[in-house]
Amino acid sequence: AQSVTQLGSHVSVSEGALVLLRCNYSSSVPPYLFWYVQYPNQGLQLLLKYTSAATLVKGINGFEAEFKKSETSFHLTKPSAHMSDAAEYFCAVSGGGFQKLVFGTGTRLLVSP
Amino acid sequence: GAVVSQHPSWVICKSGTSVKIECRSLDFQATTMFWYRQFPKQSLMLMATSNEGSKATYEQGVEKDKFLINHASLTLSTLTVTSAHPEDSSFYICSAWDRGGSPLHFGNGTRLTVT
Repeated sequence: AQSVTQLGSHVSVSEGALVLLRCNYSSSVPPYLFWYVQYPNQGLQLLLKYTSAATLVKGINGFEAEFKKSETSFHLTKPSAHMSDAAEYFCAVSGGGFQKLVFGTGTRLLVSP
Repeated sequence: GAVVSQHPSWVICKSGTSVKIECRSLDFQATTMFWYRQFPKQSLMLMATSNEGSKATYEQGVEKDKFLINHASLTLSTLTVTSAHPEDSSFYICSAWDRGGSPLHFGNGTRLTVT
């Protein structure tokens, strides 16, 4: 079985500041890990994914995440926040390709000028 | 562009009526699709796994007779909310795996409001 825990339901940063959204996972098999972003009343857009290749994964819009097996973590970072980054972010895990995805509770990122 | 199309994007219906939501994979065949439900300011909860040509697999606590899923072709899955009630009002999102098994593509969701 798989599960993810996202620490912090809300994260506030200033424009230009570092963004760090935390995700810890639990999986009985080598996991696939994902970060998705959701804007109001819209579906989910994939930011990046880890599928057992390089542990440092680069995604769209300047985001990246590092898979750390020893810490069972997959934290999302961005060096410099932009106002347009304000959204809901979901970490998700699956047991491999074509398996169902289990989502964390989400973190709302707030960006102030 | 979008690889999973969901329709309608929003619907308002009266209590007791049924509503059908369509999910299409646009440029690939999807033998498996997933239906999620999302309550306001909450995460996505998996409702069921839709399997082409066979019965859907429902998650625990999801009423299969209320949420009918049909996956009649490799590019189309439908979710029908039968005898809808106000508590069924929610955001429903479908998804399908990419050809290689990753990533999972999502439709833009359907906002259902039952009055």
